[in-house]
Amino acid sequence: GIQVEQSPPDLILQEGANSTLRCNFSDSVNNLQWFHQNPWGQLINLFYIPSGTKQNGRLSATTVATERYSLLYISSSQTTDSGVYFCAVVGIDGGATNKLIFGTGTLLAVQP
Amino acid sequence: DAMVIQNPRYQVTQFGKPVTLSCSQTLNHNVMYWYQQKSSQAPKLLFHYYDKDFNNEADTPDNFQSRRPNTSFCFLDIRSPGLGDAAMYLCATSREYRLAGRDTQYFGPGTRLTVL
Repeated sequence: GIQVEQSPPDLILQEGANSTLRCNFSDSVNNLQWFHQNPWGQLINLFYIPSGTKQNGRLSATTVATERYSLLYISSSQTTDSGVYFCAVVGIDGGATNKLIFGTGTLLAVQP
Repeated sequence: DAMVIQNPRYQVTQFGKPVTLSCSQTLNHNVMYWYQQKSSQAPKLLFHYYDKDFNNEADTPDNFQSRRPNTSFCFLDIRSPGLGDAAMYLCATSREYRLAGRDTQYFGPGTRLTVL
């Protein structure tokens, strides 16, 4: 099945710093989503981005489907950005069920 | 606001005592999913419903069952919880999946299950 790897696994930032999180996937995808899991465990949708570039406030994401990676940019980080960031994909063969395969996650800690 | 609701947020049960977790949605989505997330791991799909059609993942233990009495509600039943079933249980919905997986999944806040 499709493999999804994220890097870095852990990241510590000072408030106000910028960062880039990466998601690599091993096969073509129909669906790619970025989530933020807050300290209480809720998964919050950030982007639905199987290809192209999107921006939402301080966050933006780019997926280069032909090269099988996606990037999540966080600018001017805030302490509330802390948590785990997951990339999740639906492979071409998983389209019949929209089954999301999650990456390994990036644990982000933003210090004041 | 349209949303995915899970109750309770925290559930404590005893080893072997059946427990039911609840999920409801106001999005009127056709598909509902249950994921299990253990500590420091990614969520893992247990099963999903497309309308009333139940789809079990091959590696989901028989101890886990699900019911979907109507579009809005879906339940996760754990018949005999073991210590290894302690986890966060996440419910998600999507509008459709006949668009070859191109629908966003929306997650509820989760239920954290403790097994004593």
